[in-house]
This record gives sequence, structure tokens and C-alpha cells, in this order.
Amino acid sequence: DAGVIQSPRHEVTEMGQEVTLRCKPISGHDYLFWYRQTMMRGLELLIYFNNNVPIDDSGMPEDRFSAKMPNASFSTLKIQPSEPRDSAVYFCASSFGPEAFFGQGTRLTVV
Amino acid sequence: DAKTTQPTSMDCAEGRAANLPCNHSTISGNEYVYWYRQIHSQGPQYIIHGLKNNETNEMASLIITEDRKSSTLILPHATLRDTAVYYCIVRVRTTSGTYKYIFGTGTRLKVLA
Repeated sequence: DAGVIQSPRHEVTEMGQEVTLRCKPISGHDYLFWYRQTMMRGLELLIYFNNNVPIDDSGMPEDRFSAKMPNASFSTLKIQPSEPRDSAVYFCASSFGPEAFFGQGTRLTVV
Repeated sequence: DAKTTQPTSMDCAEGRAANLPCNHSTISGNEYVYWYRQIHSQGPQYIIHGLKNNETNEMASLIITEDRKSSTLILPHATLRDTAVYYCIVRVRTTSGTYKYIFGTGTRLKVLA
């Protein structure tokens, strides 16, 4: 398996634009997690899914953030409208059993 | 709200054992202790996990105290490639019966030549 695949790897966008981050989890995994990493706040859990169902979105910072998982092989994290303070590295992770596997992340810069 | 506390940074000489401590005094009886590391800006990488007993794999050993309030990750022969941020995590079981991983601030380990 190629592991957890995130796209794009880098995204630069202007304030106010919509941004969509994508994640393909490892086949057969039943959990999917979205994290955000910044220097100030470290790794924050934004939302996670179990069997494609959102379980806990208490970490989503604002209504500008939304996440979907339409099927077991795909998830999106959308920011609309984006703001400079959303600049961060966004990680997706999936798991089945004890170990969670992380993708390489999407580095988002909002200017 | 991370359930673990770790030292901010540590140094270790190359070839020596690196011992990374972690406190998790509020851990519940069925919650596992996990260790991950993050090299540069890559995604975190799983190292090891345990519940009560000490665990060992090809990467490291995990020593958990009998009261489970603290643990130590041991890298037996640290190399320069082990320089990374090491996260001690308690995998939280939620009221819905699912699991989530809450990361703390981690320990920045620097292996010195």
C-alpha cells in the first residue's frame, strides 16, 4: 500500500478563497483523522471519522472549516473563506487497530 | 487537552541509549500509551505502544511503571537519524466507544555526534 496520500502537498492561496485539502486513507482502515500543526499550537485534532461517520468535530476551529468523508477511500477538509491564520500544515491519518498512519501533510499558506 | 507531560528537549550522544520520560498521571485503566516521532516536517511515525507491560520492538522499548502514571521510551543505540520530536500520547477512548489520539507538545531529541 502507498500509505495515506494527501493532496496537494503545498497550497498557496489568497485570503477569502476556498481551499480544499484531500486525503486518501489506507485501504481497509476504519478511522480517519484530520490534524493541524502550527508552531504555536502544535498538533491539534480537528475532526475524526469512524466508518465514514464524523464522530467528533469539536476541534474544528470555526464554521469556516468543514470535513466530509463520502466513502471509505476519500475525505476532504474545506476552508471557506480562508484567512492568513489558517496557514499551517494539515495532516490526515488513518488507522485500523492500534497504529495510526499519517500522510505527508499539506502545507497551506494563506496570503 | 493532552493527558501527558514531557520535557521540552533532550540531548543524547550518538551510540548511547536515549531515555525519554513521560508523565500521564490521569490515564484511565483501559487507555494505551503510544509513542510517535516526527522527523523534520514529515508526518508523525508510530514507534510503539503499551497498556501495562513493558514492550519492545525493532525500534525501541517502552517501560511503563506499575501504577501506569509514567513511562519511558528507550532508544537503545541512538543515531543521528533519531533526531526528532517524540510524542507521548494517551489514546483516549470516548463515550461513543471510539478512539482518538491527542498529541501534547513532545520532546525535541537531538542526537549529538
